[in-house]
Amino acid sequence: SQTIHQWPATLVQPVGSPLSLECTVEGTSNPNLYWYRQAAGRGLQLLFYSVGIGQISSEVPQNLSASRPQDRQFILSSKKLLLSDSGFYLCAWGLAGRSSYEQYFGPGTRLTVT
Amino acid sequence: AQSVAQPEDQVNVAEGNPLTVKCTYSVSGNPYLFWYVQYPNRGLQFLLKYITGDNLVKGSYGFEAEFNKSQTSFHLKKPSALVSDSALYFCAVRDITQAGTALIFGKGTTLSVSS
Repeated sequence: SQTIHQWPATLVQPVGSPLSLECTVEGTSNPNLYWYRQAAGRGLQLLFYSVGIGQISSEVPQNLSASRPQDRQFILSSKKLLLSDSGFYLCAWGLAGRSSYEQYFGPGTRLTVT
Repeated sequence: AQSVAQPEDQVNVAEGNPLTVKCTYSVSGNPYLFWYVQYPNRGLQFLLKYITGDNLVKGSYGFEAEFNKSQTSFHLKKPSALVSDSALYFCAVRDITQAGTALIFGKGTTLSVSS
């Protein structure tokens, strides 16, 4: 069966510090991968998605970036955090192709920027 | 533009009563619709989906959803609510403008089931 991991679970960082959140998927190959941000327990905002290694699509202009160095690894980064970057960050995966379209989510990372 | 709307921020029901969480959608072409549930400080869990076929879709934990094309709705239902069903529920639609099958989520509805 497939499993998705995210770490860390919680993070408190000062404004201006760098960020690296990691997501890995087990039990599947060539998944589509996604980063979402959820503010105030509501509304998911798609940040980035990837359909393959090195292929990143950005949905929202911001000071965040994403990378996919390996097939089942997805990393969210920032060089300098802003207060507005606080939120709950969720990674998700989905099957490539047209067989199904649901996504499966990781446990999330709670980021607080102080 | 494609979108989903969840008109209720909160739904309150008593345990044992039927529950409905509403969702309406606006898409070009055939809709691919989903329901997810989120417990506090947890990731989203997939409940069910409608791609094609029978308008009544059955999913996890006794939930079902009814697809209604004429009303552009995809309401989530359960015949008998449990206290443990209390959570945040999201409706979503596949974004056909994206190559990566991204989903567009509604703003969520908080379900509160009282004992």
